[in-house]
Amino acid sequence: DTGVSQDPRHKITKRGQNVTFRCDPISEHNRLYWYRQTLGQGPEFLTYFQNEAQLEKSRLLSDRFSAERPKGSFSTLEIQRTEQGDSAMYLCASSLLDRVSGNTIYFGEGSWLTVV
Amino acid sequence: GDSVTQMEGPVTLSEEAFLTINCTYTATGYPSLFWYVQYPGEGLQLLLKATKADDKGSNKGFEATYRKETTSFHLEKGSVQVSDSAVYFCALRTGTASKLTFGTGTRLQVTL
Repeated sequence: DTGVSQDPRHKITKRGQNVTFRCDPISEHNRLYWYRQTLGQGPEFLTYFQNEAQLEKSRLLSDRFSAERPKGSFSTLEIQRTEQGDSAMYLCASSLLDRVSGNTIYFGEGSWLTVV
Repeated sequence: GDSVTQMEGPVTLSEEAFLTINCTYTATGYPSLFWYVQYPGEGLQLLLKATKADDKGSNKGFEATYRKETTSFHLEKGSVQVSDSAVYFCALRTGTASKLTFGTGTRLQVTL
């Protein structure tokens, strides 16, 4: 059983460019989450999907951010017109919401973004 | 809103010392509580959890007890190892809510 995988692991981009991150959740997990973590802080919730439906978005998710999960499997997080303040680690996580597993959330290794 | 407060680090201990990392919370409703660990350059790994009052979560020698009366979930280990050096995050989730709310993390450094 593979865990949550994210790609790329590291990305350096110039301010104003667009970037896209991909997340492959644990197989058969119906929930997928995106979090952002800056240095010295805990992860902050951005958004989550149940299957292909995006059910909640944080106020942190500005109009420049868009997330998709088109077939209820992998997800992408795109940041348009990047700003230096977007520099952070973007964490993807997944869970299986059912009575047995109790919705325990498992995280990937994260994608580091540096905007220069 | 929900919040988690952790003791500030770094915490520096000698190998085989006793570890306590304090965590208290404020929540609307009845939360589930978690400890996650983050090793350098990696994502978060679930260390242990507790879903109701007086439950004790345990894993790899670490323990934490859900104390509703003091709204706390302190992490303990009787004898730390150098390999335990990492950042530890306390987190909560209320009901079937989607998101975890994290504390700011406590860095643990264990020396020989």
